[in-house]
Amino acid sequence: DTEVTQTPKHLVMGMTNKKSLKCEQHMGHRAMYWYKQKAKKPPELMFVYSYEKLSINESVPSRFSPECPNSSLLNLHLHALQPEDSALYLCASSHRDRGSDEQYFGPGTRLTVT
Amino acid sequence: QQQVKQSPQSLIVQKGGISIINCAYENTAFDYFPWYQQFPGKGPALLIAIRPDVSEKKEGRFTISFNKSAKQFSLHIMDSQPGDSATYFCAASMMGRWEETSGSRLTFGEGTQLTVNP
Repeated sequence: DTEVTQTPKHLVMGMTNKKSLKCEQHMGHRAMYWYKQKAKKPPELMFVYSYEKLSINESVPSRFSPECPNSSLLNLHLHALQPEDSALYLCASSHRDRGSDEQYFGPGTRLTVT
Repeated sequence: QQQVKQSPQSLIVQKGGISIINCAYENTAFDYFPWYQQFPGKGPALLIAIRPDVSEKKEGRFTISFNKSAKQFSLHIMDSQPGDSATYFCAASMMGRWEETSGSRLTFGEGTQLTVNP
């Protein structure tokens, strides 16, 4: 099973709202990622968690707040977003070892900020 | 040095033809080269990947060719089908430097929009 699930599939929020995106995997992967993808562009890395600890933050604005409650779950908390934050938000996971770097992506959450 | 350059930006192929997408990189520390396939509204799906110690890897109709000296790699899709119509991204990472980089950072190419006509 190489499935990464994400909820919700679609989200529309105003600039003053607080919402959360959720990601789950049951492959035993110990590295989890958040990416942002704009139309016709490649995914852009936002955060990396390794063994439930934040290991990479690609200078993402503080209105995006990641959380890794356990080895299977990854959240992205959203607050006071801007219209330009509208995008497809992708979660991915991979084994945290040097023998494998295969990242498996979820279907994404289509976020629209109004 | 972190860039991966992908070409062409778009590609139209007839059913049954061969689709070829090329990527070039500069950073010789890259040691893992995956290709992802993405359909509209879906997440990227890992298609096939190669390490620099081999020159070619084949999985079904998909083949990666790797030229270490030229720092280039390419995806060949044999007997292309309309269902292959999607966006393809090449990528590279420094898998062997996980500890230094504190995680896996995939550097993606800009993508190729493939259309296979029936």
